[in-house]
Amino acid sequence: EAGVAQSPRYKIIEKRQSVAFWCNPISGHATLYWYQQILGQGPKLLIQFQNNGVVDDSQLPKDRFSAERLKGVDSTLKIQPAKLEDSAVYLCASEDMEDTQYFGPGTRLTVL
Amino acid sequence: QQQVKQSPQSLIVQKGGIPIINCAYENTAFDYFPWYQQFPGKGPALLIAIRPDVSEKKEGRFTISFNKSAKQFSLHIMDSQPGDSATYFCAAGGTGRRALTFGSGTRLQVQP
Repeated sequence: EAGVAQSPRYKIIEKRQSVAFWCNPISGHATLYWYQQILGQGPKLLIQFQNNGVVDDSQLPKDRFSAERLKGVDSTLKIQPAKLEDSAVYLCASEDMEDTQYFGPGTRLTVL
Repeated sequence: QQQVKQSPQSLIVQKGGIPIINCAYENTAFDYFPWYQQFPGKGPALLIAIRPDVSEKKEGRFTISFNKSAKQFSLHIMDSQPGDSATYFCAAGGTGRRALTFGSGTRLQVQP
């Protein structure tokens, strides 16, 4: 079974630029999460999707972050404009029917 | 009330030792407690998980102990090996597709 795919793996941008991350979850997983992991910390939820609907985006900085999950499969997370404090690893996870979350390898973002 | 507190921040043991990592939570609505293992450059991977209807769960060399009244749970790694050197995260969540709240992580080093 293929795992959660994410791209790109690394991205370096300057502050105020925009960036987008892509996630392809495990086939058949209806629930998809985006987490932000700052160096030395645990992952923190940004947004949760159930199929193509948003379940929880209470911790998403909506003035600069946006996410979508078209057709209930792939998802993209966008930051515009980026700030220095957005430097982190962005993790995508999909969940099976037994509440187990499977994480992708993440995208490491550096904002200069 | 959503926090999960994890300790210690780092841990060094000799090969064959039994590292113990502790977590405490506040939200009594949590009913799912997984532990994740993360290697550098990789996403977190589920190690073992427990629900509050049992006080202990073993899978191979990994054991979770759970104390519902104290709202605490811990991970024990029996006969630790250098390959166990990684960062370990506890987390808490609920059934019904609620996102996980992660602890701050414990960096474990197992010396040969």
